[in-house]
Amino acid sequence: DTAVSQTPKYLVTQMGNDKSIKCEQNLGHDTMYWYKQDSKKFLKIMFSYNNKELIINETVPNRFSPKSPDKAHLNLHINSLELGDSAVYFCASSLFVGANEQFFGPGTRLTVL
Amino acid sequence: EDKVVQSPLSLVVHEGDTVTLNCSYEVTNFRSLLWYKQEKKAPTFLFMLTSSGIEKKSGRLSSILDKKELFSILNITATQTGDSAVYLCAAGSGTSYGKLTFGQGTILTVHP
Repeated sequence: DTAVSQTPKYLVTQMGNDKSIKCEQNLGHDTMYWYKQDSKKFLKIMFSYNNKELIINETVPNRFSPKSPDKAHLNLHINSLELGDSAVYFCASSLFVGANEQFFGPGTRLTVL
Repeated sequence: EDKVVQSPLSLVVHEGDTVTLNCSYEVTNFRSLLWYKQEKKAPTFLFMLTSSGIEKKSGRLSSILDKKELFSILNITATQTGDSAVYLCAAGSGTSYGKLTFGQGTILTVHP
């Protein structure tokens, strides 16, 4: 199946822990994104990479560090998790940088206790 | 700051009804308006509109963009229970590396 996939789907962890979320796309797209969707359903851009290069870095705490080993993968590492980090994190991809049409992964529901 | 506002926030209808969802935007260097449907998981792409006044249709869904008044509508005719979802509107920038600014969504519930 051609798609954007994420692991894990669910993540429950304690405050203060460090965790990672992985994303892979096999659509042959150049650009990948991380979004955070809060309880009010707002989807907000966090980061974007184009062919392994960081191109969008919104106002996000530096506890969040994205990493793109190649253009098909974009991971998100979060240090010292806080209660307010609880949300659904979506990965997305687009054909090229500047292409507005984006395709989303299934999301990772992160719960910080 | 770029902003997208959707209305209504929620809507409850019966099967067979027609609904209209609204989206207004204020985005620097606007290029396109996108509609997504979100059920339990990932937002799935419905439409992308770039030109004013040209309706896009897919089955019972249609959408139109007004770039002068800065809004878009999504119409769903003869609604079915499977249309129940959150409908998200997003405005795409022509600069800022194609960044999307999303609205808060409209929760549509269709009762049998």
